[in-house]
Amino acid sequence: QQQVKQSPQSLIVQKGGISIINCAYENTAFDYFPWYQQFPGKGPALLIAIRPDVSEKKEGRFTISFNKSAKQFSLHIMDSQPGDSATYFCAALSGGYQKVTFGTGTKLQVIP
Amino acid sequence: EAGVAQSPRYKIIEKRQSVAFWCNPISGHATLYWYQQILGQGPKLLIQFQNNGVVDDSQLPKDRFSAERLKGVDSTLKIQPAKLEDSAVYLCASSFRARGYEQYFGPGTRLTVT
Repeated sequence: QQQVKQSPQSLIVQKGGISIINCAYENTAFDYFPWYQQFPGKGPALLIAIRPDVSEKKEGRFTISFNKSAKQFSLHIMDSQPGDSATYFCAALSGGYQKVTFGTGTKLQVIP
Repeated sequence: EAGVAQSPRYKIIEKRQSVAFWCNPISGHATLYWYQQILGQGPKLLIQFQNNGVVDDSQLPKDRFSAERLKGVDSTLKIQPAKLEDSAVYLCASSFRARGYEQYFGPGTRLTVT
């Protein structure tokens, strides 16, 4: 089964700090890598996504770094805020029908 | 723009009973997905529809789960009979056909099997 490994499982960061979540994959057929944010009682929502031919993508305080040779990618949240407290999932797409495989999730808590 | 609608939001049943979930995707979205999210885990794809055809159901336990998408719009997911390990949140999502990375999720149905 295709897998996307995500770490850490949980993360506590102080307000204003940098949150870093890492993911790794094995399947070289993956061709798109989104990150989703999920608040309690809600479905996941797309946060930011990157293609494997790009090494970095930034949107506001959120940045994806992508290392194709290492088959790793990470999410950096700069100036973390209490409102960023949520569970974050990395994911990877493959195939003509763009099947999405999710990572196991990282529960982020930003403390004031 | 209306989001993905799901009902019911919560359901409690006893093992061996049957249950059905309903999903109404965003208008114009050709692709519809059903995911199972067990507490503390990432969503696991159960079935993916393109219009009203199934394009992936490799992880759907077909001996007890079934799904259909009526006229390429609404969809229902059924479990019969339910087992204790089916306790989870069932998420429906939809996307435009060529934008599978940009899925819009509904709020989910929390199923508890006792």
